[in-house]
Amino acid sequence: QVQLVQSGAEVKKPGASVKVSCKASGYTFTSYDINWVRQATGQGLEWMGWINPKSGKTGYAQKFQGRVTITRNTSINTAYMELSSLRSEDTAVYYCASRGSGESWFDPWGQGTLVTVSS
Amino acid sequence: EIVLTQSPGTLSLSPGERATLYCRASQSVTSSYLAWYQQKPGQAPRLLMYGASSRAIGIPDRFSGRGSGTDFILTISRLEPEDFAVYYCQQYGGSAWTFGQGTKVEIK
Repeated sequence: QVQLVQSGAEVKKPGASVKVSCKASGYTFTSYDINWVRQATGQGLEWMGWINPKSGKTGYAQKFQGRVTITRNTSINTAYMELSSLRSEDTAVYYCASRGSGESWFDPWGQGTLVTVSS
Repeated sequence: EIVLTQSPGTLSLSPGERATLYCRASQSVTSSYLAWYQQKPGQAPRLLMYGASSRAIGIPDRFSGRGSGTDFILTISRLEPEDFAVYYCQQYGGSAWTFGQGTKVEIK
């Protein structure tokens, strides 16, 4: 079945960068876009950006422009989200989610990766 | 950026009751770009509805969605114990996605 498995929890200091991975299985990796969404504790969902694994084309939410980079490695069916210049407000669970070509909804989602930013 | 406002913030209901959740957009949203998700504590969101009114695979028919333009509604006809959760609406427009702030459906 279609599955997205994310890397484990991270603890980072303010100013550092974090790179979260999202490994896809059960389908052709290049057939579906991957989106990244974050959720601070007790808060709502916030879209960060997407990548088309086939072309490598990306799109980012204006809020994260210049601070987030989404990449992929098609040889291992994995997408990555790197967030730089971390601050305490970036403490959140980060999710990857698949999106079909021409579709606007996200399904399925990865299990989430907790990133904690603390000095 | 299109802002989605969900209401109410919290809905306190008993099993078997009907739940009506609202999602209002700051500007018109293409219906085919409106989705709903369910999220339970400690879990990732799960797709419920897409295209405003189409149920995702495996979603029971007690869930229904409707709406157009700026106003969308998710209805749960008879609440089951597993339906108590947080629900989010989502839209795509202007090359960006946004989510509502969520409605928590809690046991009364």
